[in-house]
Amino acid sequence: AQKITQTQPGMFVQEKEAVTLDCTYDTSDPSYGLFWYKQPSSGEMIFLIYQGSYDQQNATEGRYSLNFQKARKSANLVISASQLGDSAMYFCAMRGEGGATNKLIFGTGTLLAVQP
Amino acid sequence: DAGVIQSPRHEVTEMGQEVTLRCKPISGHDYLFWYRQTMMRGLELLIYFNNNVPIDDSGMPEDRFSAKMPNASFSTLKIQPSEPRDSAVYFCASSGAGVNEQFFGPGTRLTVL
Repeated sequence: AQKITQTQPGMFVQEKEAVTLDCTYDTSDPSYGLFWYKQPSSGEMIFLIYQGSYDQQNATEGRYSLNFQKARKSANLVISASQLGDSAMYFCAMRGEGGATNKLIFGTGTLLAVQP
Repeated sequence: DAGVIQSPRHEVTEMGQEVTLRCKPISGHDYLFWYRQTMMRGLELLIYFNNNVPIDDSGMPEDRFSAKMPNASFSTLKIQPSEPRDSAVYFCASSGAGVNEQFFGPGTRLTVL
């Protein structure tokens, strides 16, 4: 069965430093997609970045990059030059298997606090 | 462009009452999803539609929950009768065919007393 694991319930980082949020996954599907979403204290879910399992390069979107290590089944989010506004809950998610590829399975999230 | 619109944003009701949550997806999106978020269970997919047809309702907790999508621009999630354990934030999301990400609405915070 599919599973997304985020082992860090909470993280602290100093402003302007880089931070890595961990995500490991398990799936039997050879083709899959991985996502990261941000949920600030206001509650909305904001899409950050997507990585396809067959993508040759790691995905990047501005200060966000995804460190995709397929053999290790990990898809860590790297935020460079952290800003106070990055303080939020971050969720890793995976597209469903087989005929359920439109579903998203979410991890439990990591709460990131950026300190000035 | 307007994003996914949900109403109401907050709902407080008493146990046993009927609750109806509403969602307007992004225009042109073929898929609509209903999620529930709680501290205990995290984010769970309840049901999703493709072209107004329910595809997977395996996440709907029980018969008290029902969802409809009468047209491409409107969906409802109904709880009847509501119970205190239904208290949660309910998100609606939509996505287009061939588009990877799902776009979430602001959520409805439901409190059942």
